Amino acid sequence: AQTVTQSQPEMSVQEAETVTLSCTYDTSESDYYLFWYKQPPSRQMILVIRQEAYKQQNATENRFSVNFQKAAKSFSLKISDSQLGDAAMYFCAYRSARGGGADGLTFGKGTHLIIQP
Amino acid sequence: GAVVSQHPSRVICKSGTSVKIECRSLDFQATTMFWYRQFPKQSLMLMATSNEGSKATYEQGVEKDKFLINHASLTLSTLTVTSAHPEDSSFYICSARDLAGAGRSYEQYFGPGTRLTVT
Repeated sequence: AQTVTQSQPEMSVQEAETVTLSCTYDTSESDYYLFWYKQPPSRQMILVIRQEAYKQQNATENRFSVNFQKAAKSFSLKISDSQLGDAAMYFCAYRSARGGGADGLTFGKGTHLIIQP
Repeated sequence: GAVVSQHPSRVICKSGTSVKIECRSLDFQATTMFWYRQFPKQSLMLMATSNEGSKATYEQGVEKDKFLINHASLTLSTLTVTSAHPEDSSFYICSARDLAGAGRSYEQYFGPGTRLTVT
């Protein structure tokens, strides 16, 4: 079974600064997907960024980028120029690529991100 | 596009009764839907995978007789919590896979969740 570990229950950053959220995972599979989801107080899950394990290039979406280290099984999220609207719970998630896409997501415990004005 | 709705958003029921939660994909077809459970200030735990026209696949430790799942059409899956007890109180979230995105990198879209309180 796969596991996802987020070792930072809470992180705080000043507005406009950069923050990095950590995530490690354990799997015996070689083909999979990794995700970062944002859950604001509304509880709606919002996809922030996705990384395919077979791609060496780190994914980037505007101010959000990842550092994907496959050998180390590490998948950190960097948020640049932090904004007040970035305050939320952030979940790292894993999904197997087998099974034709029939697998659900395995989530980490989450990191509560606080933005200091 | 790619909107998933859940109904109701909040429900309070008495212990021993059953409650049904609906998950609908509004603008796409979903052969597969997933049900997650989230306890307060905790992570999402996958409960079951719902496939249209077939039986759901439950994760280890999830009671299939307590959490009945029906995926009757390509746009609707329902979760029925039977004989609910206070420990079933939780936030239930569904997600749906876009059929059009079949293949390697399909997207899962999440509903807004349903808060169940059992008194």
